[in-house]
Amino acid sequence: RKEVEQDPGPFNVPEGATVAFNCTYSNSASQSFFWYRQDCRKEPKLLMSVYSSGNEDGRFTAQLNRASQYISLLIRDSKLSDSATYLCVVNRGTGGRRALTFGSGTRLQVQP
Amino acid sequence: NAGVTQTPKFQVLKTGQSMTLQCAQDMNHNSMYWYRQDPGMGLRLIYYSASEGTTDKGEVPNGYNVSRLNKREFSLRLESAAPSQTSVYFCASRSHSGGPYNEQFFGPGTRLTVL
Repeated sequence: RKEVEQDPGPFNVPEGATVAFNCTYSNSASQSFFWYRQDCRKEPKLLMSVYSSGNEDGRFTAQLNRASQYISLLIRDSKLSDSATYLCVVNRGTGGRRALTFGSGTRLQVQP
Repeated sequence: NAGVTQTPKFQVLKTGQSMTLQCAQDMNHNSMYWYRQDPGMGLRLIYYSASEGTTDKGEVPNGYNVSRLNKREFSLRLESAAPSQTSVYFCASRSHSGGPYNEQFFGPGTRLTVL
């Protein structure tokens, strides 16, 4: 079983739609959680961190359920520019030995 | 700030050849990382360095060696390249201060093909 599992998609949605991605992680010792965005043939970039209390950044809302080991990302009012692969990421270890574990990504295609 | 830089951007090798991928960061970060990404897969950690002078194996270290030359630079060496090492390689860096939610910054990647 992969340590971080995501539905690979693709999710094809029209502009203006609301779309949700889910992710599960297997290591209960994971300490911090993120969504990264990766455009085609580019490096991953941090979209947002995911906190236990849930957090929102504009059209994006992330939630964490530690008991179920489940992370979600909600995108409201999708834009064409949201088309990308969204990587669910968990962080283990302490101090300098923290290392990120990546899911394989969920591909989103927003259509006009 | 250039952030994290990697050279070369593209490389084609023949089986058995060796090469070194270079990475440098100008953000004064303590930790540096090498990942590989294969089609349809997430990034997998090859090696990391928590500080100058230290290196540790990640998930997929076989076939690679690393050197943390100084705080800025972290190189990845393929001693005898194999077709299974065809991949996109990303270098990343991160500061220690601020706890577990520190952002990890990535370089633009090196696309390596081994024939």
